[in-house]
Amino acid sequence: RKEVEQDPGPFNVPEGATVAFNCTYSNSASQSFFWYRQDCRKEPKLLMSVYSSGNEDGRFTAQLNRASQYISLLIRDSKLSDSATYLCVAAQGQNYGGATNKLIFGTGTLLAVQP
Amino acid sequence: EPEVTQTPSHQVTQMGQEVILRCVPISNHLYFYWYRQILGQKVEFLVSFYNNEISEKSEIFDDQFSVERPDGSNFTLKIRSTKLEDSAMYFCASSETPRGQRYTFGSGTRLTVV
Repeated sequence: RKEVEQDPGPFNVPEGATVAFNCTYSNSASQSFFWYRQDCRKEPKLLMSVYSSGNEDGRFTAQLNRASQYISLLIRDSKLSDSATYLCVAAQGQNYGGATNKLIFGTGTLLAVQP
Repeated sequence: EPEVTQTPSHQVTQMGQEVILRCVPISNHLYFYWYRQILGQKVEFLVSFYNNEISEKSEIFDDQFSVERPDGSNFTLKIRSTKLEDSAMYFCASSETPRGQRYTFGSGTRLTVV
């Protein structure tokens, strides 16, 4: 079973639409969660962190459900510039000394916003 | 905004050759990482590095791979004898803390093994 699983899409939506992406993770030891955005052949860029209480950043809303190991991202009023691959990411690591958190990426969901 | 710088942006090498991918992390960051992304696949963790030693490495990071911070500013990934399947985009990242919230990725080096 993949550690972080996403629907690969593509999601083709018109400008102004609301679109929702879902993600599940299998390792309950995962400590924190993020949505990253990746444009074609570019580096991943942090979009937002995801919390159980839910968080919103402008048109973007993210939610974590630890009980069902489920993460969501909602994009309202889609823009052409939102077209990209959205990566669901879980951070795992030890909690001591200089231990680092490694990021476990999903395969990504491709969003294409049409004019 | 501070950046993680990677060079070269694209490297073509013959199978069996050694390559060194270079990264300059953000200056006050203490945690360093390499990830790779084979074309069309997900981003995969290779190795993390802190206090001049490897903190964690993945199954991908076998004896052909090594990392080094030779001079306090550069962070390098060496692949000793490249294989065709090493062709990928290699991303360096650094963070101020060990937590995932503060990662900054470089723009990557595209490695093509022929």
